Amino acid sequence: EDQVTQSPEALRLQEGESSSLNCSYTVSGLRGLFWYRQDPGKGPEFLFTLYSAGEEKEKERLKATLTKKESFLHITAPKPEDSATYLCAVRRGSQGNLIFGKGTKLSVKP
Amino acid sequence: DTGVSQNPRHKITKRGQNVTFRCDPISEHNRLYWYRQTLGQGPEFLTYFQNEAQLEKSRLLSDRFSAERPKGSFSTLEIQRTEQGDSAMYLCASSSTYLGGELFFGEGSRLTVL
Repeated sequence: EDQVTQSPEALRLQEGESSSLNCSYTVSGLRGLFWYRQDPGKGPEFLFTLYSAGEEKEKERLKATLTKKESFLHITAPKPEDSATYLCAVRRGSQGNLIFGKGTKLSVKP
Repeated sequence: DTGVSQNPRHKITKRGQNVTFRCDPISEHNRLYWYRQTLGQGPEFLTYFQNEAQLEKSRLLSDRFSAERPKGSFSTLEIQRTEQGDSAMYLCASSSTYLGGELFFGEGSRLTVL
């Protein structure tokens, strides 16, 4: 069965303390791995799509990487405004829908 | 604003009542998705449309749930005979099969069943 597992469930960082979030997946025929940010009471906001192992994408303090079994979201020198839940999702085969993990809740303290 | 629009944003209803949510996708997107999200969980797929055709429904979508997308534009999600377990955030998203396929989500419709 296709599965997406994110760790840790929650992460508390001090402002400026870099870290990484993990997304491991088992899926047949991966057709994209997606990262989203979600603020409380809001819909998920698209961040990145990765398609093949070795691919990397960056946006401001965020950098996403992909291997054959997992993806990492690296956060460099985070700020309090980076506090949110970060969701990972995969699309398999020809299906249009995404399968989401439970997310990692990130808190950055000043 | 040309993003995904959902209405109403909040709905409180009594058990057994019917509720309907509406989603207006990004205009150039041909795919529309419905997801459900409960506290502490990721979004769970319910169903999706390509234009007006409903291409897939999740096992989560019981016969009390029905979704439509007439004319391939806006979509409605109706829940009949609501139960307390239906309380959740209902998220709509749209995408284009020609522009990368990323899903863009609306702000969601929060349902509380008393």
